[in-house]
Amino acid sequence: SAVISQKPSRDICQRGTSLTIQCQVDSQVTMMFWYRQQPGQSLTLIATANQGSEATYESGFVIDKFPISRPNLTFSTLTVSNMSPEDSSIYLCSVDDREGSYTFGSGTRLTVV
Amino acid sequence: GQNIDQPTEMTATEGAIVQINCTYQTSGFNGLFWYQQHAGEAPTFLSYNVLDGLEEKGRFSSFLSRSKGYSYLLLKELQMKDSASYLCAVRDLTPDNNDMRFGAGTRLTVKP
Repeated sequence: SAVISQKPSRDICQRGTSLTIQCQVDSQVTMMFWYRQQPGQSLTLIATANQGSEATYESGFVIDKFPISRPNLTFSTLTVSNMSPEDSSIYLCSVDDREGSYTFGSGTRLTVV
Repeated sequence: GQNIDQPTEMTATEGAIVQINCTYQTSGFNGLFWYQQHAGEAPTFLSYNVLDGLEEKGRFSSFLSRSKGYSYLLLKELQMKDSASYLCAVRDLTPDNNDMRFGAGTRLTVKP
């Protein structure tokens, strides 16, 4: 399975600021996925990031709020912009491993104050 | 779209067997997955079914019936470390959608 390095692992941010989360994969992958997991809830897909094209966002998520970069086949970033306390959550990146399941990064626990 | 339903919480005793059910509706189907997630950690892959029947992996087994839109995860010889959330996830297979969507998770508590 792929190994994903995600950072930061956690952060406390002020309302109105932005945070960029990075994921580095140890192998080349076509698609990377960004999920949000709010306290006590399951994972919600934010967007799918393909290299060389714009990310595809799910209903309820927009590019202005969650811009994504995918400069190459091993790296992606998700920015949480103009944060509010409602954005406090765990953010996870994942990739499709060769066995068909997903491998996840270790997650970024974001608290907005 | 997808609906994925599983019980919110379950409790079982150490050494026992527990079955966690999952029902789903999906427009396309490319596999059903079970993940384990301990508090504060990322989900880890447990099992995968794409054909009907039972898949066994040590103490964990998973069953799928595609016609019924139903799966279960069976955990045998429960250990305290099995206390975690168990997430049922379905992978779509449609021309513009090949991603994985998760149920709300079942929080399992194993008691001595």
